[in-house]
Amino acid sequence: DGGITQSPKYLFRKEGQNVTLSCEQNLNHDAMYWYRQDPGQGLRLIYYSQIVNDFQKGDIAEGYSVSREKKESFPLTVTSAQKNPTAFYLCASRGFSYNEQFFGPGTRLTVL
Amino acid sequence: KNEVEQSPQNLTAQEGEFITINCSYSVGISALHWLQQHPGGGIVSLFMLSSGKKKHGRLIATINIQEKHSSLHITASHPRDSAVYICAGREGAGSYQLTFGKGTKLSVIP
Repeated sequence: DGGITQSPKYLFRKEGQNVTLSCEQNLNHDAMYWYRQDPGQGLRLIYYSQIVNDFQKGDIAEGYSVSREKKESFPLTVTSAQKNPTAFYLCASRGFSYNEQFFGPGTRLTVL
Repeated sequence: KNEVEQSPQNLTAQEGEFITINCSYSVGISALHWLQQHPGGGIVSLFMLSSGKKKHGRLIATINIQEKHSSLHITASHPRDSAVYICAGREGAGSYQLTFGKGTKLSVIP
């Protein structure tokens, strides 16, 4: 079945450690997005990529990094520079010229 | 900066009730998406609207471009409709960036 997978569902890390969240899609979509969701707030865009080997900062990119070496994959690294990394992270993808974004199941990151 | 405001923030309804969730958006947004987020966190797209009205099963979405307002209606609500409903505005032609509302948490009681 086509879709977006994010792993793991729950992730725990110690403060000061970098952590990488996985996002893979087999929808042959060109664009991929990373969002952060906090309680009581709307989703906020961290990074997005419209094509392989290119990505752009979103509204809250500080403390995060991404790569887009393959069309199918868009991993997000939460670095130790991110002041408040505990949140729910959602990955999404969009096909070329389509208006709809498809979302993955999300990863809940807790930094202890 | 584009803005999207939803109301109410929380909504509790009895099974069978007609439900309305409202969304207002700022100038610069050309289309509205309605999304559903279940307790597990996954998000599903329900509708995308740039004008008029769309219907899918018991869900109806409307948009009034002049008033910059959209509504999501659920007829004959059911406990399985319990979820967070999110509206998201898309900027003008050529942009696929979304601005998200904070969501409306709906609980339908049997």
